[in-house]
Amino acid sequence: AQSVSQHNHHVILSEAASLELGCNYSYGGTVNLFWYVQYPGQHLQLLLKYFSGDPLVKGIKGFEAEFIKSKFSFNLRKPSVQWSDTAEYFCAVTHTGNQFYFGTGTSLTVIP
Amino acid sequence: GEEVAQTPKHLVRGEGQKAKLYCAPIKGHSYVFWYQQVLKNEFKFLISFQNENVFDETGMPKERFSAKCLPNSPCSLEIQATKLEDSAVYFCASSQWQGARGETQYFGPGTRLLVL
Repeated sequence: AQSVSQHNHHVILSEAASLELGCNYSYGGTVNLFWYVQYPGQHLQLLLKYFSGDPLVKGIKGFEAEFIKSKFSFNLRKPSVQWSDTAEYFCAVTHTGNQFYFGTGTSLTVIP
Repeated sequence: GEEVAQTPKHLVRGEGQKAKLYCAPIKGHSYVFWYQQVLKNEFKFLISFQNENVFDETGMPKERFSAKCLPNSPCSLEIQATKLEDSAVYFCASSQWQGARGETQYFGPGTRLLVL
């Protein structure tokens, strides 16, 4: 069965610090990869996605992620976080185009 | 509509009562997905539809959960005889296609079900 691991459960950063959130998946075939964000009291929003092409994907709000096939990873990065980035971040994987397999999420708190 | 709509926003039920949740997908989207988020973080896939047809129901608890997507009506997820462990946020998502690679699922705001 597919599994998605997000090793950082809680991350606390000061504003302007750099961010990297890990995501690893277990499926060995072709995958589609997503990062979603859930701001407090809001629903999931798509940050970025990868399905083919350049493994370095740029998303909204200055986020980017790099797909490294050999490491089964799709880590999320942002060079300089802001207080407004405080949220839950979820990595998701699909390989059939059907159901998403989600990681358990990473809670990011940015201190002003 | 341009967003996935879910109603109600909050639902409180006593143990053993029925709960019914509704989802209106984005107009033009053919696929609808239901997920259960327990303990704030863990998402569990329940069921998906292609239009009014069940596409994948591998995540559905067989006994008390049922779901429908009927033409010209919101999709629904029904829980008969709710249990305490059914307390969760239930998210609906929709996508335009299923077969296309990289197809994004757009999520609704969720229905928070509390079983007392």
